[in-house]
Amino acid sequence: KQEVTQIPAALSVPEGENLVLNCSFTDSAIYNLQWFRQDPGKGLTSLLLIQSSQREQTSGRLNASLDKSSGRSTLYIAASQPGDSATYLCAVSTGGGNKLTFGTGTQLKVEL
Amino acid sequence: SAVISQKPSRDICQRGTSLTIQCQVDSQVTMMFWYRQQPGQSLTLIATANQGSEATYESGFVIDKFPISRPNLTFSTLTVSNMSPEDSSIYLCSVEVRPYEQYFGPGTRLTVT
Repeated sequence: KQEVTQIPAALSVPEGENLVLNCSFTDSAIYNLQWFRQDPGKGLTSLLLIQSSQREQTSGRLNASLDKSSGRSTLYIAASQPGDSATYLCAVSTGGGNKLTFGTGTQLKVEL
Repeated sequence: SAVISQKPSRDICQRGTSLTIQCQVDSQVTMMFWYRQQPGQSLTLIATANQGSEATYESGFVIDKFPISRPNLTFSTLTVSNMSPEDSSIYLCSVEVRPYEQYFGPGTRLTVT
């Protein structure tokens, strides 16, 4: 059974700092990995998707990497802003490709 | 991408009643999914809904409790039946826009008293 873990569970940083969120998964037989953002009480916004054959994806200040063999992904956020404050979730696609297993999330707070 | 809407956005319901949540997408999609997010927890898949076939439920979820309809390629409903306080959660629908890539609706926040 696929299990996804995110470290740290919570993170508080001052504005402008670069930061890294970590995601690990137990079964490396994944189709892809997605990073999502969730604001309090809201739905999910897709940030980045990395196919299993890719090593990284970039979108603006966000960069996600994938090391499938070791079961790890990182989300790098450059020059953090208060608007980045949210919970960040990673999810891996397994079980035929369209079943997502979600991590436990990292709650990020960027302070002025 | 896809634009997904859910109704209602939130509701407060009494124990023993049922609530039907609607999910509408702005384009035709084959696969739609329903998830539950209990307070302080991550998302758990309830079922997969393909148009023209019965929904496929994950372990721990049954059709009598969470009946799902998928009448066409842009719409689905999830009913939470005979509710108890333990059903208080955010319920989210998602669609598969490209193979193995899902986009999510804004969610329905349900509180059962």
